[in-house]
Amino acid sequence: KAGVTQTPRYLIKTRGQQVTLSCSPISGHRSVSWYQQTPGQGLQFLFEYFSETQRNKGNFPGRFSGRQFSNSRSEMNVSTLELGDSALYLCASSLATGGDTIYFGEGSWLTVV
Amino acid sequence: GESVGLHLPTLSVQEGDNSIINCAYSNSASDYFIWYKQESGKGPQFIIDIRSNMDKRQGQRVTVLLNKTVKHLSLQIAATQPGDSAVYFCAENRGAGTYKYIFGTGTRLKVLA
Repeated sequence: KAGVTQTPRYLIKTRGQQVTLSCSPISGHRSVSWYQQTPGQGLQFLFEYFSETQRNKGNFPGRFSGRQFSNSRSEMNVSTLELGDSALYLCASSLATGGDTIYFGEGSWLTVV
Repeated sequence: GESVGLHLPTLSVQEGDNSIINCAYSNSASDYFIWYKQESGKGPQFIIDIRSNMDKRQGQRVTVLLNKTVKHLSLQIAATQPGDSAVYFCAENRGAGTYKYIFGTGTRLKVLA
């Protein structure tokens, strides 16, 4: 069974631009969550989606948004990029119910210059 | 890719010895815990999990211990190998109905040959 797939793996953007990251969950998994990982803050929860609905959101500004499609694939978008948005963005999938094991993809490395 | 967690606490262990990595969790209501291993340039990889109705769980070469009284989790790795070198994170979840995980800061394990 294929794991969680994230694209692109690496990208460089300029301050003020926007970026869209994509995630395909493990087959059969209906929940997708996103995390930001930085050296200073560690792994921080961004949001979680199930059946195209956001069920929970972390403490990030409104520039961070996401969505989920009917096939459970998800995207996250960051608008008006700031230097501090440079991070590894991780997508994780799980079956659904909360209190499930979440499995991570390899992440998308975003550098903002 | 970059390395995340450049200033993590580090545990150095001789190859063949046992390793113990500790984690203090934050919320007494958390009832599901996972240990992840993250190698450089990769996403976190599931190692082992435990629910709050247990105090010990064993896997292949790994054991997780849970002490709810003091909100403490530990990961024991038997006969540590060079391939075990990585950053290890604990994650806590507050169970069904909650969809985000809170991650510890991580511990870097270095295996000395």
